[in-house]
Amino acid sequence: AAGVIQSPRHLIKEKRETATLKCYPIPRHDTVYWYQQGPGQDPQFLISFYEKMQSDKGSIPDRFSAQQFSDYHSELNMSSLELGDSALYFCASSPTGLASGNTIYFGEGSWLTVV
Amino acid sequence: AQTVTQSQPEMSVQEAETVTLSCTYDTSENNYYLFWYKQPPSRQMILVIRQEAYKQQNATENRFSVNFQKAAKSFSLKISDSQLGDTAMYFCAFMNPNTGNQFYFGTGTSLTVIP
Repeated sequence: AAGVIQSPRHLIKEKRETATLKCYPIPRHDTVYWYQQGPGQDPQFLISFYEKMQSDKGSIPDRFSAQQFSDYHSELNMSSLELGDSALYFCASSPTGLASGNTIYFGEGSWLTVV
Repeated sequence: AQTVTQSQPEMSVQEAETVTLSCTYDTSENNYYLFWYKQPPSRQMILVIRQEAYKQQNATENRFSVNFQKAAKSFSLKISDSQLGDTAMYFCAFMNPNTGNQFYFGTGTSLTVIP
């Protein structure tokens, strides 16, 4: 079965640089979520999109932005990177009707290291 | 805000034995969903089991089962016949469909299965 695809899997950037992470949801999933997991931390919700519109916003810094495109893939753009942005970034997707009890399925994550 | 508490940062179990991981949560809602996710060393987030709050019957998935005590706001995970591949971080998660699509995670329990 197809899973959530994230790219790149690993990324190294310098401070103040910009990074873009991409996420391709499971086919027919129209909701995408972004989570950030720092070292030894639990995943923290950043932002989510439903049908290409932002649906929820969590602890996403103002330096970060995201969008969902017509093909439902999503991109997380991170600017003015700081050392503290080093983390594992998960994308997850779910089919319409999360309220009916569907769950979210995570990608394998993108490792961002800021040096 | 919803809170999820996992009071056991680390646990270990002998192979083939049974272990129970605890999770409590705080909410005033009546309708919600609870999940257990497994994160092995590969860092991938894998759904283990989920429970709908409106269902009294405890969810089971092969060797994994939960003890859902709604009044006590407790959601423990029991792993039977523990296998080496069960070694991972386990996160308990809460989702309230009435307040958006966010998953609230606990801080995780690191489980080691000893041969």
